Amino acid sequence: QVQLQESGPGLVKPSQTLSLTCTVSGGSISSGSYYWSWIRQPAGKGLEWIGRIYTSGSTNYNPSLKSRVTISVDTSKNQFSLKLSSVTAADTAVYYCARVDYSNYGTDFYYYYMDVWGNGTTVTVSS
Amino acid sequence: DIQMTQSPSSLSASVGDRVTITCRASPSISSYLNWYQQKPGKAPKLLIYAASSLQSGVPSRFSGSGSGTDFTLTISSLQPEDFAAYYCQQSYSTPYTFGQGTKLEIK
Repeated sequence: QVQLQESGPGLVKPSQTLSLTCTVSGGSISSGSYYWSWIRQPAGKGLEWIGRIYTSGSTNYNPSLKSRVTISVDTSKNQFSLKLSSVTAADTAVYYCARVDYSNYGTDFYYYYMDVWGNGTTVTVSS
Repeated sequence: DIQMTQSPSSLSASVGDRVTITCRASPSISSYLNWYQQKPGKAPKLLIYAASSLQSGVPSRFSGSGSGTDFTLTISSLQPEDFAAYYCQQSYSTPYTFGQGTKLEIK
């Protein structure tokens, strides 16, 4: 059974770069046709999708963060990572990584969904 | 970006009640709609994908319906463990977007 675990600093200074890693266990990050995604949630608020990466390295980002976000994958370590630059207090949140699977019911239409999530890691931006 | 709007934002109900949560998409998203449950301090859990397909291991009291712009999540008979927040999410196009959430509380 695939499990995901986020790791990284819990405190980042304003204007610096937030760096998080998601380690995939119980399966290879390269097996299957999955995307791997990052999502965040400020305290007491809703969920915001940050972006996703395919194991080929192909990425899609949320335009609201695109200029500051980089998602990368390291198949040799079975990990994918998030970098968010020039952070401010508004970036304080719980950050989740998730696997993006799909069903297509034998058609050309791909219904994507996030079926496996990490536990989340809290990142606070403060001096 | 596709806008997702859930209603109500909060809901009080009793064990055994039938509950319906609504999600509206703008513009239309066909059946590219997922539902998640989130308990305090925990990661979201996938309940329903592609509008009406029940994720493996999720109790059959959960069901989803709808297509186009209007969707519903129904819990047929509330159990104590169902009191949580629920989010819809569209996967029709990136950026994926979520509804603002519905908090289901015990009456």
